[in-house]
Amino acid sequence: AQRVTQPEKLLSVFKGAPVELKCNYSYSGSPELFWYVQYSRQRLQLLLRHISRESIKGFTADLNKGETSFHLKKPFAQEEDSAMYYCALSVLKTSGSRLTFGEGTQLTVNP
Amino acid sequence: EPEVTQTPSHQVTQMGQEVILRCVPISNHLYFYWYRQILGQKVEFLVSFYNNEISEKSEIFDDQFSVERPDGSNFTLKIRSTKLEDSAMYFCASRTDRGRGDTEAFFGQGTRLTVV
Repeated sequence: AQRVTQPEKLLSVFKGAPVELKCNYSYSGSPELFWYVQYSRQRLQLLLRHISRESIKGFTADLNKGETSFHLKKPFAQEEDSAMYYCALSVLKTSGSRLTFGEGTQLTVNP
Repeated sequence: EPEVTQTPSHQVTQMGQEVILRCVPISNHLYFYWYRQILGQKVEFLVSFYNNEISEKSEIFDDQFSVERPDGSNFTLKIRSTKLEDSAMYFCASRTDRGRGDTEAFFGQGTRLTVV
Protein backbone atom coordinates (compact mmCIF):
# COMPACT_ATOMS: atom_id res chain seq x y z
CA ALA A 1 0.00 0.00 0.00
CA GLN A 2 1.17 3.51 -0.71
CA ARG A 3 1.58 6.19 1.92
CA VAL A 4 2.61 9.84 1.92
CA THR A 5 3.88 11.67 4.97
CA GLN A 6 4.25 15.40 5.44
CA PRO A 7 5.79 15.83 8.88
CA GLU A 8 5.03 19.54 9.28
CA LYS A 9 1.41 20.63 9.64
CA LEU A 10 2.41 24.27 9.92
CA LEU A 11 5.39 26.14 8.52
CA SER A 12 6.00 29.82 8.95
CA VAL A 13 8.77 31.82 7.25
CA PHE A 14 9.53 35.42 6.49
CA LYS A 15 9.32 36.89 3.02
CA GLY A 16 12.55 36.34 1.13
CA ALA A 17 13.61 33.39 3.24
CA PRO A 18 14.13 29.93 1.76
CA VAL A 19 11.40 27.42 2.32
CA GLU A 20 11.33 23.64 2.19
CA LEU A 21 8.20 21.56 2.62
CA LYS A 22 9.03 17.97 3.39
CA CYS A 23 7.38 14.94 1.83
CA ASN A 24 8.25 11.29 2.25
CA TYR A 25 6.51 8.39 0.63
CA SER A 26 6.39 4.64 0.83
CA TYR A 27 5.65 2.48 -2.14
CA SER A 28 7.53 -0.54 -3.38
CA GLY A 29 7.26 0.26 -7.10
CA SER A 30 7.79 3.42 -9.13
CA PRO A 31 5.21 6.01 -8.17
CA GLU A 32 4.50 9.38 -9.65
CA LEU A 33 4.80 12.26 -7.22
CA PHE A 34 2.93 15.56 -7.26
CA TRP A 35 2.58 18.72 -5.25
CA TYR A 36 -0.88 20.24 -5.11
CA VAL A 37 -1.60 23.68 -3.64
CA GLN A 38 -4.79 25.12 -2.21
CA TYR A 39 -4.91 28.88 -1.79
CA SER A 40 -7.44 30.34 0.59
CA ARG A 41 -11.01 29.54 -0.54
CA GLN A 42 -9.81 28.11 -3.84
CA ARG A 43 -9.73 24.62 -5.26
CA LEU A 44 -6.85 22.16 -5.17
CA GLN A 45 -4.59 22.75 -8.14
CA LEU A 46 -1.51 21.04 -9.42
CA LEU A 47 1.73 22.84 -8.66
CA LEU A 48 4.41 20.36 -9.73
CA ARG A 49 4.83 16.80 -10.93
CA HIS A 50 8.13 15.00 -10.66
CA ILE A 51 8.10 13.64 -14.19
CA SER A 52 8.12 17.10 -15.79
CA ARG A 53 11.06 18.36 -13.74
CA GLU A 54 9.97 21.97 -14.13
CA SER A 55 9.93 24.99 -11.87
CA ILE A 56 6.57 26.60 -11.20
CA LYS A 57 6.29 29.94 -9.37
CA GLY A 58 9.91 29.45 -8.32
CA PHE A 59 9.19 26.10 -6.67
CA THR A 60 11.16 22.95 -7.46
CA ALA A 61 10.96 19.41 -6.19
CA ASP A 62 13.37 16.57 -6.77
CA LEU A 63 12.44 12.95 -6.41
CA ASN A 64 15.01 11.15 -4.27
CA LYS A 65 14.30 7.45 -4.63
CA GLY A 66 17.01 6.48 -2.16
CA GLU A 67 15.45 8.57 0.59
CA THR A 68 11.89 8.15 -0.79
CA SER A 69 11.41 11.88 -0.58
CA PHE A 70 9.96 14.61 -2.76
CA HIS A 71 10.60 17.82 -0.86
CA LEU A 72 9.29 21.10 -2.24
CA LYS A 73 11.70 24.03 -2.21
CA LYS A 74 11.76 27.69 -3.01
CA PRO A 75 14.82 29.88 -2.45
CA PHE A 76 12.93 33.11 -1.72
CA ALA A 77 9.42 32.83 -0.35
CA GLN A 78 6.77 35.42 -1.23
CA GLU A 79 3.66 36.40 0.72
CA GLU A 80 1.47 35.07 -2.08
CA ASP A 81 2.95 31.60 -1.50
CA SER A 82 0.91 31.34 1.70
CA ALA A 83 -1.36 28.34 1.15
CA MET A 84 -1.95 24.70 1.99
CA TYR A 85 0.42 22.36 0.20
CA TYR A 86 -0.28 18.68 -0.36
CA CYS A 87 2.17 16.09 -1.53
CA ALA A 88 0.51 13.27 -3.45
CA LEU A 89 1.45 9.95 -4.97
CA SER A 90 -0.09 8.13 -7.89
CA VAL A 91 0.41 4.63 -9.18
CA LEU A 92 -0.33 4.00 -12.81
CA LYS A 93 -3.17 1.57 -13.31
CA THR A 94 -4.85 0.60 -16.53
CA SER A 95 -8.20 1.85 -15.23
CA GLY A 96 -7.04 5.21 -13.97
CA SER A 97 -4.82 6.30 -11.13
CA ARG A 98 -5.95 7.54 -7.78
CA LEU A 99 -3.99 10.03 -5.73
CA THR A 100 -2.82 9.30 -2.22
CA PHE A 101 -2.35 12.54 -0.33
CA GLY A 102 -0.22 13.54 2.58
CA GLU A 103 -1.68 15.40 5.52
CA GLY A 104 -0.77 18.77 4.09
CA THR A 105 1.45 21.62 5.27
CA GLN A 106 0.01 25.08 5.88
CA LEU A 107 2.66 27.54 4.74
CA THR A 108 2.51 31.10 6.02
CA VAL A 109 4.89 33.66 4.60
CA ASN A 110 5.10 36.69 6.86
CA PRO A 111 5.97 40.18 5.60
CA GLU B 1 -10.28 27.72 -18.93
CA PRO B 2 -12.51 24.70 -18.34
CA GLU B 3 -13.21 23.80 -14.74
CA VAL B 4 -14.75 21.00 -12.74
CA THR B 5 -17.93 22.32 -11.17
CA GLN B 6 -19.59 20.98 -8.03
CA THR B 7 -23.01 21.72 -6.59
CA PRO B 8 -24.08 22.57 -4.01
CA SER B 9 -21.17 24.30 -2.32
CA HIS B 10 -22.66 23.48 1.08
CA GLN B 11 -25.25 20.90 2.03
CA VAL B 12 -26.75 20.39 5.47
CA THR B 13 -28.72 17.22 6.01
CA GLN B 14 -30.21 15.26 8.86
CA MET B 15 -28.71 11.97 9.88
CA GLY B 16 -30.30 9.10 7.99
CA GLN B 17 -31.25 11.20 4.98
CA GLU B 18 -30.03 10.57 1.46
CA VAL B 19 -27.85 13.16 -0.24
CA ILE B 20 -26.66 13.52 -3.80
CA LEU B 21 -23.57 15.54 -4.54
CA ARG B 22 -23.21 16.68 -8.10
CA CYS B 23 -20.21 17.28 -10.30
CA VAL B 24 -19.74 18.38 -13.88
CA PRO B 25 -16.30 17.20 -14.99
CA ILE B 26 -14.34 18.82 -17.78
CA SER B 27 -16.03 17.77 -21.01
CA ASN B 28 -13.31 15.74 -22.76
CA HIS B 29 -12.13 13.98 -19.61
CA LEU B 30 -12.48 10.24 -19.28
CA TYR B 31 -11.64 9.45 -15.66
CA PHE B 32 -13.63 10.69 -12.71
CA TYR B 33 -12.97 10.60 -9.02
CA TRP B 34 -14.47 11.44 -5.66
CA TYR B 35 -12.31 12.33 -2.69
CA ARG B 36 -13.28 13.53 0.75
CA GLN B 37 -11.58 15.50 3.48
CA ILE B 38 -12.84 15.35 7.04
CA LEU B 39 -12.01 18.56 8.89
CA GLY B 40 -8.42 18.51 10.04
CA GLN B 41 -7.59 15.30 8.22
CA LYS B 42 -6.02 14.40 4.90
CA VAL B 43 -7.73 14.21 1.53
CA GLU B 44 -8.85 10.59 1.05
CA PHE B 45 -9.70 8.72 -2.11
CA LEU B 46 -13.22 7.32 -2.32
CA VAL B 47 -13.81 6.02 -5.82
CA SER B 48 -12.70 6.21 -9.43
CA PHE B 49 -14.98 5.81 -12.43
CA TYR B 50 -14.18 5.03 -16.03
CA ASN B 51 -16.17 3.80 -19.00
CA ASN B 52 -19.40 3.96 -17.01
CA GLU B 53 -18.26 1.76 -14.20
CA ILE B 54 -16.33 1.90 -10.96
CA SER B 55 -12.67 1.13 -11.62
CA GLU B 56 -11.43 1.33 -8.06
CA LYS B 57 -12.86 2.10 -4.65
CA SER B 58 -11.48 2.50 -1.17
CA GLU B 59 -12.58 0.79 2.00
CA ILE B 60 -14.48 3.97 2.89
CA PHE B 61 -16.74 3.50 -0.13
CA ASP B 62 -19.15 1.00 1.38
CA ASP B 63 -22.69 0.05 0.37
CA GLN B 64 -24.00 3.41 1.56
CA PHE B 65 -22.19 5.11 -1.31
CA SER B 66 -22.87 4.95 -5.01
CA VAL B 67 -21.78 6.90 -8.07
CA GLU B 68 -23.44 7.52 -11.36
CA ARG B 69 -22.90 9.32 -14.61
CA PRO B 70 -26.53 9.60 -15.65
CA ASP B 71 -26.37 11.78 -18.71
CA GLY B 72 -22.83 12.01 -20.02
CA SER B 73 -22.07 15.30 -18.31
CA ASN B 74 -22.94 14.96 -14.63
CA PHE B 75 -21.12 12.71 -12.20
CA THR B 76 -22.92 12.17 -8.92
CA LEU B 77 -22.08 10.74 -5.52
CA LYS B 78 -25.01 9.44 -3.50
CA ILE B 79 -24.94 8.66 0.18
CA ARG B 80 -28.04 6.64 1.01
CA SER B 81 -28.32 7.09 4.74
CA THR B 82 -25.98 9.75 6.04
CA LYS B 83 -24.14 9.39 9.31
CA LEU B 84 -22.56 12.08 11.43
CA GLU B 85 -19.12 10.85 10.39
CA ASP B 86 -19.94 11.53 6.73
CA SER B 87 -19.55 15.24 7.46
CA ALA B 88 -16.65 16.33 5.29
CA MET B 89 -15.62 18.28 2.23
CA TYR B 90 -16.20 16.18 -0.87
CA PHE B 91 -14.08 16.84 -3.94
CA CYS B 92 -14.76 15.70 -7.45
CA ALA B 93 -11.86 15.39 -9.90
CA SER B 94 -11.41 14.44 -13.52
CA ARG B 95 -8.55 13.74 -15.86
CA THR B 96 -8.03 13.07 -19.53
CA ASP B 97 -5.78 10.09 -19.50
CA ARG B 98 -4.66 7.12 -17.48
CA GLY B 99 -2.84 9.10 -14.85
CA ARG B 100 0.46 9.16 -16.61
CA GLY B 101 2.86 11.87 -15.67
CA ASP B 102 1.81 14.13 -18.49
CA THR B 103 -1.75 14.51 -17.28
CA GLU B 104 -3.14 15.97 -14.12
CA ALA B 105 -6.27 15.61 -12.08
CA PHE B 106 -8.42 18.75 -12.06
CA PHE B 107 -10.42 19.29 -8.90
CA GLY B 108 -13.73 20.93 -8.25
CA GLN B 109 -14.12 23.52 -5.52
CA GLY B 110 -15.72 20.98 -3.20
CA THR B 111 -19.06 20.44 -1.48
CA ARG B 112 -19.10 20.81 2.26
CA LEU B 113 -21.49 18.23 3.67
CA THR B 114 -22.70 18.72 7.22
CA VAL B 115 -24.75 15.94 8.79
CA VAL B 116 -26.70 16.99 11.88
